[in-house]
Amino acid sequence: NAGVTQTPKFQVLKTGQSMTLQCAQDMNHNSMYWYRQDPGMGLRLIYYSASEGTTDKGEVPNGYNVSRLNKREFSLRLESAAPSQTSVYFCASSALRQAAFFGQGTRLTVV
Amino acid sequence: GQQVMQIPQYQHVQEGEDFTTYCNSSTTLSNIQWYKQRPGGHPVFLIQLVKSGEVKKQKRLTFQFGEAKKNSSLHITATQTTDVGTYFCAGPGEYGNKLVFGAGTILRVKS
Repeated sequence: NAGVTQTPKFQVLKTGQSMTLQCAQDMNHNSMYWYRQDPGMGLRLIYYSASEGTTDKGEVPNGYNVSRLNKREFSLRLESAAPSQTSVYFCASSALRQAAFFGQGTRLTVV
Repeated sequence: GQQVMQIPQYQHVQEGEDFTTYCNSSTTLSNIQWYKQRPGGHPVFLIQLVKSGEVKKQKRLTFQFGEAKKNSSLHITATQTTDVGTYFCAGPGEYGNKLVFGAGTILRVKS
């Protein structure tokens, strides 16, 4: 039972490069989330998707785009990476108002 | 928008001492969830509280939901080194969808 799978686990980008973080869940959850975690800042919501075909901005959406490809997959794209986007990124999924299950995280460094 | 505040930010205790972290929301919550994140790991769901004044226990951990459903606490009795990590509270957004996290309390335990 895989749960929430994120790829890649680690990535180093140069400023201005683009990349897509992939996330897939096998728990048939409607809700999916992307968070970033920085020291002392907790988990800040980047984007949220309540169901296939819908997305909504969170606290810190600038510089990111998302795509809810289907019920299982929710990807996060950085079009032009900046050093301020160096962080640990977590994807999560949940049923409405139920526990969220997190992926292992992606450690991204932008140099 | 909704804000979830958590205190203290950091606590360092001697093994065997008790520990408490507090969570306060700017709005009334339909439920509150607690998560634990071990160093280098991802957040893992601990428990959800739904009812006003609810108290739940998991071994040495006691969770409370305030009467007004705007605050919550997690109390650990007789901490052990295995309790080390960051404890987060989280509440649903205004329409019961987005999951908003507090900044977390980092617990360190001296043996």
